[in-house]
Amino acid sequence: AQSVTQLDSHVSVSEGTPVLLRCNYSSSYSPSLFWYVQHPNKGLQLLLKYTSAATLVKGINGFEAEFKKSETSFHLTKPSAHMSDAAEYFCVVSDRGTGRRALTFGSGTRLQVQP
Amino acid sequence: DADVTQTPRNRITKTGKRIMLECSQTKGHDRMYWYRQDPGLGLRLIYYSFDVKDINKGEISDGYSVSRQAQAKFSLSLESAIPNQTALYFCATSVHGEADTQYFGPGTRLTVL
Repeated sequence: AQSVTQLDSHVSVSEGTPVLLRCNYSSSYSPSLFWYVQHPNKGLQLLLKYTSAATLVKGINGFEAEFKKSETSFHLTKPSAHMSDAAEYFCVVSDRGTGRRALTFGSGTRLQVQP
Repeated sequence: DADVTQTPRNRITKTGKRIMLECSQTKGHDRMYWYRQDPGLGLRLIYYSFDVKDINKGEISDGYSVSRQAQAKFSLSLESAIPNQTALYFCATSVHGEADTQYFGPGTRLTVL
């Protein structure tokens, strides 16, 4: 069985300061891990994904995430927040060993960026 | 043009009515999915289809049915809508070989009164 825990439901940062959105996962197999972003009244956009290559994954808009197997974590970071980063972010896990590639979503973290 | 489209984008209906939500894609993907999103719960899988003849229940399929009319079309039906089916519904697609990378439509906001 797989599961995802996003440790913060809301994060507020000032523009120009670093962003850290935390995600822990549980997986019986080698997982694929993703971060999706959802802007208000929009669909979900893939930010980045980890599929067992390099543990540090770079995504769009300056975001990156590091896969840490020992900590079962996949935290999302960005060095400097921009107003346009305000959105909801979802951490997602896929158990590649299940054969069906079902995705399990975390409950989401809402990022607020203050001017 | 969007690769994954959903119609309608917004719908208000009454308890007991039959509702169909439609999804079309031009990505040429073989796999399609329906999710619902509720505040604080993330997205939960309702049904998924790996090809036209392969349809499977997700974690919350009760009260829903689906139809895969063609590779590019996947419809979700609520046979008799109830208020707790009020939610944001997303369609997604993926391709065999990269099946866990899914591409989402813009969503349909459904309100059941």
